[in-house]
Amino acid sequence: EPEVTQTPSHQVTQMGQEVILRCVPISNHLYFYWYRQILGQKVEFLVSFYNNEISEKSEIFDDQFSVERPDGSNFTLKIRSTKLEDSAMYFCASTGVGGTSSYNEQFFGPGTRLTVL
Amino acid sequence: GENVEQHPSTLSVQEGDSAVIKCTYSDSASNYFPWYKQELGKGPQLIIDIRSNVGEKKDQRIAVTLNKTAKHFSLHITETQPEDSAVYFCAASMNTGFQKLVFGTGTRLLVSP
Repeated sequence: EPEVTQTPSHQVTQMGQEVILRCVPISNHLYFYWYRQILGQKVEFLVSFYNNEISEKSEIFDDQFSVERPDGSNFTLKIRSTKLEDSAMYFCASTGVGGTSSYNEQFFGPGTRLTVL
Repeated sequence: GENVEQHPSTLSVQEGDSAVIKCTYSDSASNYFPWYKQELGKGPQLIIDIRSNVGEKKDQRIAVTLNKTAKHFSLHITETQPEDSAVYFCAASMNTGFQKLVFGTGTRLLVSP
């Protein structure tokens, strides 16, 4: 069964450093998302991406964040200057139209745990 | 914007019992309601979903009910098994196709043998 993959599984960085989290969505999916989950809290929406541009972003997704689809398979989230409060689990998700996926089902990757020291 | 509340935060049951988790939403424009199961160290996995033109949906031991008037929906798990132990999240979304999911706060379900 196709799945969303994410790398790395765990990223440790110093405050102020830039990090790039990588995702490979399910091929033939067209919509991509980033969510984050601070330890013990709910999953929060960050940004959605379609047709090479941001569709929607939350208040969390400020100027320190950016997303990119650099090629036909990868989808990345960059945090320019990390803060302590960026420590969280970051999930990538994708959804498509037709095929084997249910309409509107978002498939989540296993996540990247980001620890900012 | 949409706000989703979820109760209870923790739920302990004996194997074989039923478990019910309830969610309420605030935005009447929401009309897609998925439930996700999250096991330790993994991403959320869809277990069942319901759209607002349907009042109930079942899939083996799992069922979801939706009351649009009251803006609440519930997950029912019957004949629980230890492997059902996980965190369950409800979510709501506007069914324009690919809108963001707004998640509830999660319910930690523990099924004891």
